[in-house]
Amino acid sequence: QVQLVQSGAEVTKPGASVKLSCRASGFTFGNSYIHWVRRAPGQGFEWMGMIHPRDGSSKYAQNFQGRVRMTRDTSTTTVFMELSSLTSQDTAMYYCARDDGKWLVPNWFFDLWGRGSLVSVSS
Amino acid sequence: IVLTQSPDTLSLSPGESATLSCRASQSVTSAYLAWYQQKVGQGLRLLIYGASARAPGIPDRFGGSGSATNFTLTISRVEPEDLAVYFCQQYGGSPPAVTFGGGTKLEIK
Repeated sequence: QVQLVQSGAEVTKPGASVKLSCRASGFTFGNSYIHWVRRAPGQGFEWMGMIHPRDGSSKYAQNFQGRVRMTRDTSTTTVFMELSSLTSQDTAMYYCARDDGKWLVPNWFFDLWGRGSLVSVSS
Repeated sequence: IVLTQSPDTLSLSPGESATLSCRASQSVTSAYLAWYQQKVGQGLRLLIYGASARAPGIPDRFGGSGSATNFTLTISRVEPEDLAVYFCQQYGGSPPAVTFGGGTKLEIK
């Protein structure tokens, strides 16, 4: 089955880090970009960045530069997104999504989404 | 680039047609304009990419059109299963970035 399976909900404290996972199945892991998008309560969707599992190359949104890191494990076809220095503003649902761009050129639209991982940041 | 969707909520009876608008604060390359559907508790589902191309498996009741700063998603003959929130999304601007509209909620009477 073609799907992205995300890790479960996380509850964490301000200043801490969180690492979410997104496991791909049913398609060739190294052929597509994986993006991360979040949506805070009452807010719109916010693009965080992307990684290409083939070579691990990544690109991050300006708002998250220095605070986000995306990695992958090809043996488990899993992508990870770690966000550090958390504040209450990082409380959100985090989604991973596939971009099926070919030849290392993103399409910049997302044809497969995970169901989301809820991150709650509170003291 | 800021995307503004209207209306916020659309309430229609089965069989009616829905017209959802997505306006951009500056011109968007059509190749980089997409529409998604989100049902409660689910991730997003790609409906339209390249402003007008239907994603695989999407019924032809769903159609996309428009260019530059004005884009439209049309759903003909709405069905109860179309109950969802619909989002537009673009890539572009300077520096280039991905942005989403705020969404239109489609209610079925």
